[in-house]
Amino acid sequence: AQSVTQLGSHVSVSEGALVLLRCNYSSSVPPYLFWYVQYPNKGLQLLLKYTSAATLVKGINGFEAEFKKSETSFHLTKPSAHMSDAAEYFCAVSTTSGGGADGLTFGKGTHLIIQP
Amino acid sequence: ETGVTQSPTHLIKTRGQQVTLRCSSQSGHNTVSWYQQALGQGPQFIFQYYREEENGRGNFPPRFSGLQFPNYSSELNVNALELDDSALYLCASSFGGQGVLNYGYTFGSGTRLTVV
Repeated sequence: AQSVTQLGSHVSVSEGALVLLRCNYSSSVPPYLFWYVQYPNKGLQLLLKYTSAATLVKGINGFEAEFKKSETSFHLTKPSAHMSDAAEYFCAVSTTSGGGADGLTFGKGTHLIIQP
Repeated sequence: ETGVTQSPTHLIKTRGQQVTLRCSSQSGHNTVSWYQQALGQGPQFIFQYYREEENGRGNFPPRFSGLQFPNYSSELNVNALELDDSALYLCASSFGGQGVLNYGYTFGSGTRLTVV
């Protein structure tokens, strides 16, 4: 079975400060990992994904994440927060054992608040 | 290139009724999956269809059923609606069946279902 834990249901940072959103996963097989962003009353937009290539993954809007197998983590970072980054962020995991047919398992989400 | 479109955007139903939600996949995608997102929670995988057949299912009862059509559009049907079925229902499309994880998923904006 696979699972995702997102530490911190709410994270508040000042505009221009570093953004760090934490994600730890549990999987018995090599995982595929994703970060999605959701704006109010909208669907999910893919920020980036890890598919067993480079461990440091760069995504859209200046976000990046590093896969650390020893720590079972896939934390999302952005060097400088912008007001438009305020949204809900979801980490998700899937595995190759089901060929993707097991779907994505999502964390409960982290609400990112940007202080002016 | 069009994205994933879902209809209707909002729906109110009475407990015990049946509902059908619709999804048009992104052009070129042959795999579609459905997710239920309760308020304040991460999305939960309902099921996935590949080439018109269900090839994966989450922990949802049989009253949740679906169809995928030859043009890869899809329907989610829910019978005997319960109050707890109130949620945002998200459709996601991708390409590749067994290789879906390498392509990631494109999500629609969802259908907000309210059961009263």
